[in-house]
Amino acid sequence: AQKVTQAQTEISVVEKEDVTLDCVYETRDTTYYLFWYKQPPSGELVFLIRRNSFDEQNEISGRYSWNFQKSTSSFNFTITASQVVDSAVYFCALSEAYGGATNKLIFGTGTLLAVQP
Amino acid sequence: DTGVSQDPRHKITKRGQNVTFRCDPISEHNRLYWYRQTLGQGPEFLTYFQNEAQLEKSRLLSDRFSAERPKGSFSTLEIQRTEQGDSAMYLCASSDTGANEKLFFGSGTQLSVL
Repeated sequence: AQKVTQAQTEISVVEKEDVTLDCVYETRDTTYYLFWYKQPPSGELVFLIRRNSFDEQNEISGRYSWNFQKSTSSFNFTITASQVVDSAVYFCALSEAYGGATNKLIFGTGTLLAVQP
Repeated sequence: DTGVSQDPRHKITKRGQNVTFRCDPISEHNRLYWYRQTLGQGPEFLTYFQNEAQLEKSRLLSDRFSAERPKGSFSTLEIQRTEQGDSAMYLCASSDTGANEKLFFGSGTQLSVL
């Protein structure tokens, strides 16, 4: 069965602190995709990143970075120098590929990040 | 590109009533998805369309739920004989045809069944 676990329900940090959001996944597929989405209070999920299972290179985009490790089935997300605008719920998700025909996502339960000024 | 829009944003109804939600995807996207999100949980897949064809339905989608996408443009999700357990945020998303393309989500319709 495919599953995504985000063990951290809530994290509170003070502005400018670095914070890492954990994501652990389970799948029997050898080919899969992992995603992170941000859900601000407005409710609309915003795409942050997509990684495929064959690309373990870490990625950095501004203050955001992602660490993908197949050996531990983890895809962690780090925000450097956090800002109040980063406050949101962050979801990790795994694609369930039916021969690559569908983009159905399996989401974790999310981590609520609160950045205090 | 105006993004994915959903209507209404909020719906309050009494148990047993029927409700219908609408989703307008990004115009050039062939694929459209419905997800349901309850408080403290991640979105759960309900159903998926490629153009006008409904290609997959989750077991979560009981017989009281029906979705359509006539002409492959906007979609509607109808819930008949609503129950209190149907209270949730209903999210619509759209994507390009490619495999594992990122989904663009709307702001959702918050349903409260009294």
